[in-house]
Amino acid sequence: KQEVTQIPAALSVPEGENLVLNCSFTDSAIYNLQWFRQDPGKGLTSLLLIQSSQREQTSGRLNASLDKSSGRSTLYIAASQPGDSATYLCAVRRGAGGTSYGKLTFGQGTILTVHP
Amino acid sequence: DAGVIQSPRHEVTEMGQEVTLRCKPISGHDYLFWYRQTMMRGLELLIYFNNNVPIDDSGMPEDRFSAKMPNASFSTLKIQPSEPRDSAVYFCASSFRQVPGNTIYFGEGSWLTVV
Repeated sequence: KQEVTQIPAALSVPEGENLVLNCSFTDSAIYNLQWFRQDPGKGLTSLLLIQSSQREQTSGRLNASLDKSSGRSTLYIAASQPGDSATYLCAVRRGAGGTSYGKLTFGQGTILTVHP
Repeated sequence: DAGVIQSPRHEVTEMGQEVTLRCKPISGHDYLFWYRQTMMRGLELLIYFNNNVPIDDSGMPEDRFSAKMPNASFSTLKIQPSEPRDSAVYFCASSFRQVPGNTIYFGEGSWLTVV
């Protein structure tokens, strides 16, 4: 059974700091890994998706890396801003077909607070 | 595109009542997912459909929960009878397998409180 762990559970940083969020998963047979952002009272917004064959993806100040063999991904946020405050979740999608193909397994999330 | 649309956004109901949550996926998407989010358990997949057919319902907690997808543009999640422990946020999501990456798109959620 796939298990996804995110560290740290919560993080508070001053504005402008670069930061790293960590995600680890137990089963390396994944199709892709996705990072989401969730604002309070809202749904999830996809930030970055990394295919299992890729090593990293970048979007603006965000960079996500994937080391499938070690079961790890990191989300790097450069020059953090108060507007980045949210819960960040990673999720892995299983590959290799079968009934588990579409299934996303989520971590518990990292609650990020960026203070001015 | 309007995104994944869920209704109702908020519902408060009494224990024992039937609850029906509704979802309209993004047009053209062939996968639809129902997730439940609680503080204790995080996000859990309840069931998902591919081309309107239920593929994996192993996450449905018990027989009080049922889900249907009568056509490609509509799905329901029903709880009957509801219990206080069903209080949670229920998310519907959809994706399109043929698109590289298969990004999954979430609705805003249905916030259910059972008293």
